[in-house]
Amino acid sequence: EAQVTQNPRYLITVTGKKLTVTCSQNMNHEYMSWYRQDPGLGLRQIYYSMNVEVTDKGDVPEGYKVSRKEKRNFPLILESPSPNQTSLYFCASRRQVYTGELFFGEGSRLTVL
Amino acid sequence: DAKTTQPNSMESNEEEPVHLPCNHSTISGTDYIHWYRQLPSQGPEYVIHGLTSNVNNRMASLAIAEDRKSSTLILHRATLRDAAVYYCILKGGANNLFFGTGTRLTVIP
Repeated sequence: EAQVTQNPRYLITVTGKKLTVTCSQNMNHEYMSWYRQDPGLGLRQIYYSMNVEVTDKGDVPEGYKVSRKEKRNFPLILESPSPNQTSLYFCASRRQVYTGELFFGEGSRLTVL
Repeated sequence: DAKTTQPNSMESNEEEPVHLPCNHSTISGTDYIHWYRQLPSQGPEYVIHGLTSNVNNRMASLAIAEDRKSSTLILHRATLRDAAVYYCILKGGANNLFFGTGTRLTVIP
């Protein structure tokens, strides 16, 4: 089944404790992206990747890092999480870089205490 | 990025058609109009997209105004499963899709 898989789905952590949210897609998609969703603000893009080893900042990249060492994986790294990073995170992928529909994962709800 | 304006919420009776409006007065000539929806506790899913002509697929129809400053997503027969937040998005050459806050559709049995 074609899908975008995120882990963990739920996580409660404490300020400053590094964490990684993994994202994997099995559709051989070129493009991958991370979004965060907050009440009243909709979805905002954090980072995106157009191919292996090619990443760029989205609208709200502060406090996050990403890597794209393999085509299928695009982990989101929070080096030193803070409470303002408490949010619902979505990973998405698309077959082509500039066109086509985005496929989203089921989301990862992160709480930073 | 050009922005869109949608009503915060709408209601529809089950099995009746639903027309979800979207205004995008600053749309450029190369911007595609995309619609996604987000069911409760799920990630967004693609619904439909178009450039100038009206479009139909198995999920919905997209009616685009002649001046392209507005569009309407049409669900021909709303079901309870269609209750979701619907996002109207403009997609040009940039990589991002600006989702905004969308329209929350409530379907009344």
